[in-house]
Amino acid sequence: EVQLVESGGGLVKPGGSLRLSCAASGFTFSSYSMNWVRQAPGKGLEWVSSISSSSSYIYYADSVKGRFTISRDNAKNSLYLQMNSLRAEDTAVYYCAREYCSSTSCYTGAIDYWGQGTLVTVSS
Amino acid sequence: QSALTQPASVSGSPGQSITISCTGTSSDVGGYNYVSWYQQHPGKAPKLMIYEVSNRPSGVSNRFSGSKSGNTASLTISGLQAEDEADYYCSSYTSSSTWVFGGGTKLTVL
Repeated sequence: EVQLVESGGGLVKPGGSLRLSCAASGFTFSSYSMNWVRQAPGKGLEWVSSISSSSSYIYYADSVKGRFTISRDNAKNSLYLQMNSLRAEDTAVYYCAREYCSSTSCYTGAIDYWGQGTLVTVSS
Repeated sequence: QSALTQPASVSGSPGQSITISCTGTSSDVGGYNYVSWYQQHPGKAPKLMIYEVSNRPSGVSNRFSGSKSGNTASLTISGLQAEDEADYYCSSYTSSSTWVFGGGTKLTVL
């Protein structure tokens, strides 16, 4: 069974830092691109960042570029999001999410498994 | 990276069909066949319903279908059922090698 379990969320002051982790199990983690997607309370989904299976390709939303860093450790089946210079508008539930792949292909922009999310609250 | 435009809400009666639109630009929806649709029930993680404009993952009901014309993608749900009541989000790949979601549409089954 595919499982994605996020951790590391919490309350942080504006300008502070947090590091989110996502522990993956039930699939060959090193074969999949991974994403972070966030959802502010009562709001819609916002794509944050993506990383390819070998970390060769990394992309960020403009809203977090220069402040957030995505990384992965395939040996540990783990995905990370280092968040610096946090702002109130970064307050959200952060989801770790796996790119959808069939037995033959992977599908750009499609996400088939999501974690339960971890809440990040930026407030003084 | 402006969000794709979706209607805030749509509604329909059981058994009816509804369509949710998702409007972008030639730099996202109109430029690529990488449009996905997600269903999200309250307090739950999103569920992939459609990928690459019109393809359904295994296990998704064939009552859900997707299409695209120009800069607008659409999700159609036929034979509405009570359990279809949820929020629906579209997403698209963009020319900046990023992804963008729509603002979401709340579907109410009357």
